[in-house]
Amino acid sequence: DAKTTQPTSMDCAEGRAANLPCNHSTISGNEYVYWYRQIHSQGPQYIIHGLKNNETNEMASLIITEDRKSSTLILPHATLRDTAVYYCIVRPRLIYNTNAGKSTFGDGTTLTVKP
Amino acid sequence: DAGVTQSPTHLIKTRGQQVTLRCSPKSGHDTVSWYQQALGQGPQFIFQYYEEEERQRGNFPDRFSGHQFPNYSSELNVNALLLGDSALYLCASSLWSGEQYFGPGTRLTVT
Repeated sequence: DAKTTQPTSMDCAEGRAANLPCNHSTISGNEYVYWYRQIHSQGPQYIIHGLKNNETNEMASLIITEDRKSSTLILPHATLRDTAVYYCIVRPRLIYNTNAGKSTFGDGTTLTVKP
Repeated sequence: DAGVTQSPTHLIKTRGQQVTLRCSPKSGHDTVSWYQQALGQGPQFIFQYYEEEERQRGNFPDRFSGHQFPNYSSELNVNALLLGDSALYLCASSLWSGEQYFGPGTRLTVT
């Protein structure tokens, strides 16, 4: 699995956009970028994933650079409840790929949303 | 639709004992993965079960073993507990190769 690099911590003002970067310079062609977040030692919560195109859902947007070596998770209007540890991971998604289920987590980015 | 459930929520064991943790996957999911998360660190992959077989394993000793049942639920067993096994144990379910959904975890304390 490709490794990812994320800043240890970030702050964001409530109501502003939170932009969380992730570097994955050794990503392989069949590997997707996944984002999870974890609040107060609960189980990680799936946010979004993508391969090469930008993706958006009700929680966030994911911007992946054209060379796929980095990505940014965007929380458009951060709230205090978005304070959490955010993890960026890369892994294959192809069926029958034995690495598909293994998610390698780093230490993530602790996002603190301030009033 | 129930999500991933784990039991028990908390557990205290003594060094040398054995423990069994349980996981019920999200409805419709057939794959279960187990993770160990030490305090202040990201989750570490233990192993994954699909079709009742261990399909992939992380860097954990043989003291860690598991099982998947025909209804896709799973157990994680840890033998000869060490103090260092104290952690949050997370179960994640998915369809094979799909997005993983995590349970709330079991907090294991070894004294």
